[in-house]
Amino acid sequence: QQQVKQSPQSLIVQKGGIPIINCAYENTAFDYFPWYQQFPGKGPALLIAIRPDVSEKKEGRFTISFNKSAKQFSLHIMDSQPGDSATYFCAATGGSNYKLTFGKGTLLTVNP
Amino acid sequence: NAGVTQTPKFQVLKTGQSMTLQCAQDMNHNSMYWYRQDPGMGLRLIYYSASEGTTDKGEVPNGYNVSRLNKREFSLRLESAAPSQTSVYFCASRGLGGLGYGYTFGSGTRLTVV
Repeated sequence: QQQVKQSPQSLIVQKGGIPIINCAYENTAFDYFPWYQQFPGKGPALLIAIRPDVSEKKEGRFTISFNKSAKQFSLHIMDSQPGDSATYFCAATGGSNYKLTFGKGTLLTVNP
Repeated sequence: NAGVTQTPKFQVLKTGQSMTLQCAQDMNHNSMYWYRQDPGMGLRLIYYSASEGTTDKGEVPNGYNVSRLNKREFSLRLESAAPSQTSVYFCASRGLGGLGYGYTFGSGTRLTVV
């Protein structure tokens, strides 16, 4: 059973565009929702995270929107740059062991 | 540099061979995790150790064993490698108080089983 569903699998935008990646979760015990960015040959690195008590969080050009009633959250990248080309993973965690459950990832390509 | 160190970075095994993937962190973190990453599958949890002296199964533990050697080190062992275990393996650690925010990942071990 996949607990975090992520879409799309891949996404191509032009420089300056606003790619949007969506995730949906099933487990209502999840209480923290991070996004990770991964470049080829590297491990995932935390990008931004949100708790379900807020509907939006911004850090630089990255914004998470959160809809608790729909159990959905999304990542928006403003003014995207070629350097943003990477694989993005949404994730969710909850409970005392803080195990991360990941979505399947979105390969983002930002063309110059 | 502080962080999570994984060795080796690359490994080729023959079916049936055994090996141990090593992971060490120098951030004094309590919890450590092993994930595998396969194309189109995201990262799936194999085993984790919430604190020194404890280990628990994750989503895909079959064919693997782990040892939390001390607070710094968490190793993953493949007793009899199978082609289905061809994957990229990531170790991660997490300190107290950070929830999911505190995860730090290593750079991975790329394993091929032929």
